[in-house]
Amino acid sequence: QSALTQPASVSASPGQSITISCTGSGSDVWTYNLVSWYQQHPGKAPKLIIYEGTKRPSGVSNRFSGSKSGNTASLTISGLQAEDEADYYCYSYADPSSLVFGRGTKLTVL
Amino acid sequence: EVQLVESGGIVVQPGGSLRLSCAASGFTFDDYAMHWVRQVPGRGLEWVSLISWNGGAKFYAESVKGRFTISRDNTKNSLFLQMNSLRTEDTALYYCAKGPRNSYASFDSWGQGTLVSVS
Repeated sequence: QSALTQPASVSASPGQSITISCTGSGSDVWTYNLVSWYQQHPGKAPKLIIYEGTKRPSGVSNRFSGSKSGNTASLTISGLQAEDEADYYCYSYADPSSLVFGRGTKLTVL
Repeated sequence: EVQLVESGGIVVQPGGSLRLSCAASGFTFDDYAMHWVRQVPGRGLEWVSLISWNGGAKFYAESVKGRFTISRDNTKNSLFLQMNSLRTEDTALYYCAKGPRNSYASFDSWGQGTLVSVS
């Protein structure tokens, strides 16, 4: 199972919105719509911010939202804040023998 | 509060073996699937292995299949990863992660990781 494709980096100014895409190579994203997204600050463990494509765990800001179109899932962060600067990873579940992360996207808040 | 604390990471020679442990607390351990995920410092995340709530189902990434064995002891709220025939490319920070109830589709809690160095 190949890694999901994400842009290596994105950048924007505070207050702006960004969208990070996550594209599957096969049936993973399309078939199951079970993409989750993780935020990782330097030296810290990843943190779940979106699960099952569009759902936010309790305590995660509503500035984070998820969506899907075809075989591409997307994470949108609105009203960018300095603390959003981090690495973001998508993850897709196709079946228990095929669990794959994206390569990660570095978000820079200018 | 969910807590996952990994241990066991050390420097080991290629071909060697190592057993990682993860102590869980703050939730009903035997209700949830558990995973190991690794990360080479400065690189991305790689899913390694998962075990179902009762240990009846186990799955592995192709890169570790046949060399690593995942297990759990629900009486001690502990998760393990036995790593044999270690290679330099296994060098990484190994995270223990908890799945949601009845799903393998995400990781809702993570430990801080334990560093394995194969050299």
